[in-house]
Amino acid sequence: SAVISQKPSRDICQRGTSLTIQCQVDSQVTMMFWYRQQPGQSLTLIATANQGSEATYESGFVIDKFPISRPNLTFSTLTVSNMSPEDSSIYLCSVEGDRENQETQYFGPGTRLLVL
Amino acid sequence: AQSVTQLDSQVPVFEEAPVELRCNYSSSVSVYLFWYVQYPNQGLQLLLKYLSGSTLVKGINGFEAEFNKSQTSFHLRKPSVHISDTAEYFCAVRFSGSARQLTFGSGTQLTVLP
Repeated sequence: SAVISQKPSRDICQRGTSLTIQCQVDSQVTMMFWYRQQPGQSLTLIATANQGSEATYESGFVIDKFPISRPNLTFSTLTVSNMSPEDSSIYLCSVEGDRENQETQYFGPGTRLLVL
Repeated sequence: AQSVTQLDSQVPVFEEAPVELRCNYSSSVSVYLFWYVQYPNQGLQLLLKYLSGSTLVKGINGFEAEFNKSQTSFHLRKPSVHISDTAEYFCAVRFSGSARQLTFGSGTQLTVLP
């Protein structure tokens, strides 16, 4: 499976500021996904990011709040804009497996965000 | 509507006892099924998956799960748990035609007691 890293691993931010989270994969992947895990909750998909096209956002998530970049096949960023305490969550990126494991998603370690 | 339900939010069990974590889904289309584990302060690790073929699938750390199409279930089992199995377990489903995204259950916190 792909090795996925995220930066930062955790951060504490002030309300009204923005944070950009990076996701790096050790192999080229077509699709990358960004999820949010609110405290004590399950994972909710924010958006799907394909290289060279606009990200596709799920209901309840908008580009102005969560802009995503996907400049190449191994990298993506998610920005959490104009943060409020309600944005305190774990943000995880995931990728699909290789050709033999395309149906499977593999996850990064997550970024733990606390907004004060 | 397509959904995933984990019936137990918390499951305490004594060390070396068997455990079953339940997962049911609702779907009118074909599915791929997954179990992930999340240890404290870590990301999600794939335990096992069902794509097709044998309905009994074996995963890492001695876990196994059985796909039951008639009952739309995919319960996770382990015959003898260890303290180190204490973690949050998530059932996830990929529904056919869902643009390749996963839908997650609400999670089950497994706590193994000494």
